[in-house]
Amino acid sequence: GAVVSQHPSWVICKSGTSVKIECRSLDFQATTMFWYRQFPKQSLMLMATSNEGSKATYEQGVEKDKFLINHASLTLSTLTVTSAHPEDSSFYICSASGPGPGAKQYFGPGTRLTVT
Amino acid sequence: SQELEQSPQSLIVQEGKNLTINCTSSKTLYGLYWYKQKYGEGLIFLMMLQKGGEEKSHEKITAKLDEKKQQSSLHITASQPSHAGIYLCGAANTDKLIFGTGTRLQVFP
Repeated sequence: GAVVSQHPSWVICKSGTSVKIECRSLDFQATTMFWYRQFPKQSLMLMATSNEGSKATYEQGVEKDKFLINHASLTLSTLTVTSAHPEDSSFYICSASGPGPGAKQYFGPGTRLTVT
Repeated sequence: SQELEQSPQSLIVQEGKNLTINCTSSKTLYGLYWYKQKYGEGLIFLMMLQKGGEEKSHEKITAKLDEKKQQSSLHITASQPSHAGIYLCGAANTDKLIFGTGTRLQVFP
């Protein structure tokens, strides 16, 4: 099956700094990428949908100025958590899908962010 | 907006026992996915169901979608410690996936 990677797998940063997380589709062109966050013992919550070359669509309640998403190519999307705070500590997972409605999503292994 | 409720929230079973996890949607399901997640890791795709009454099996896991397409069940036969993890159902909503509340499964020897 298709492979999606995330980097880094875990990161610790100080409050007030920014952190960038990369999501790459390794063997297919991902026209759409999705970013989720997951708190301990909770399900995945969709944060935003990004299409290559266009602005991301954010879910209600997600601050677009805080969570900057860039989908500059068909194999790479980045999520930047700006001015991170301890409450941003979470597990961030991306997924990627190819073209067409109902295309299957392939999930990355996730990135654990801890803000101290 | 569509919501998916899973039950039970958590499950502890003895190895060898059968178990069932349910996923109920507030709206008609046009595509229902089942995933497994080990804590702190990504999602492993298990199965996808689309048609009312559809049933799929893979190894010891069977998933069904009811005729009305609002409820799905995941059944594990003769559970093993390797089945432990978080099970998530996901509903296809245009190009998005909306996830259920999750079921944490523990299997003890």
